[in-house]
Amino acid sequence: GAVVSQHPSWVICKSGTSVKIECRSLDFQATTMFWYRQFPKQSLMLMATSNEGSKATYEQGVEKDKFLINHASLTLSTLTVTSAHPEDSSFYICSAPGPGRWVYGYTFGSGTRLTVV
Amino acid sequence: GQQVMQIPQYQHVQEGEDFTTYCNSSTTLSNIQWYKQRPGGHPVFLIQLVKSGEVKKQKRLTFQFGEAKKNSSLHITATQTTDVGTYFCAGRRSNAGGTSYGKLTFGQGTILTVHP
Repeated sequence: GAVVSQHPSWVICKSGTSVKIECRSLDFQATTMFWYRQFPKQSLMLMATSNEGSKATYEQGVEKDKFLINHASLTLSTLTVTSAHPEDSSFYICSAPGPGRWVYGYTFGSGTRLTVV
Repeated sequence: GQQVMQIPQYQHVQEGEDFTTYCNSSTTLSNIQWYKQRPGGHPVFLIQLVKSGEVKKQKRLTFQFGEAKKNSSLHITATQTTDVGTYFCAGRRSNAGGTSYGKLTFGQGTILTVHP
């Protein structure tokens, strides 16, 4: 089945530094990638939608300059949390429509647990 | 904007009991998807419902899509400890912009605990 590889799985960084999270579609082309944020025992909140070769579309209330999204190729999308602060600590997860959307639905990466100290 | 409400938030059952979670959308949906997220894991696609009144079964899981395409349910018969996790519904609206894939709006999820 479709696989989205997300790295790193977890990261601890100091306040003020930047962290890059990568999502790669391994066996299919992901022209669209959705980026979510999830707090413990809560739902997935869509942050932004990235499309290969164009600017990302951010949801209301999400700071574009803080959460930089790049979709450089059909298999790679990145999220960079710039100047991270403790309130940015969360579980970040990407998702791409599977190659056979009626069969696979949307395929999620394994998520990145970010802790800012 | 579109909202998808899901209840209950938590459900504790004894192994062998049945379980149901319900979703209700504020708008008509193009389709609805269901996902399962194990503790510490990521959401895994279970199924997609497209047609009004559609019912699909996967072993002990039964999924329904309402006639008005605004509500859906997931029913698990005779729960097992392996059913533990959070079940999310996610509604998808057609993307009028012409791209193939629309955004998913997730319900709050139902956290299922199964006691052996």
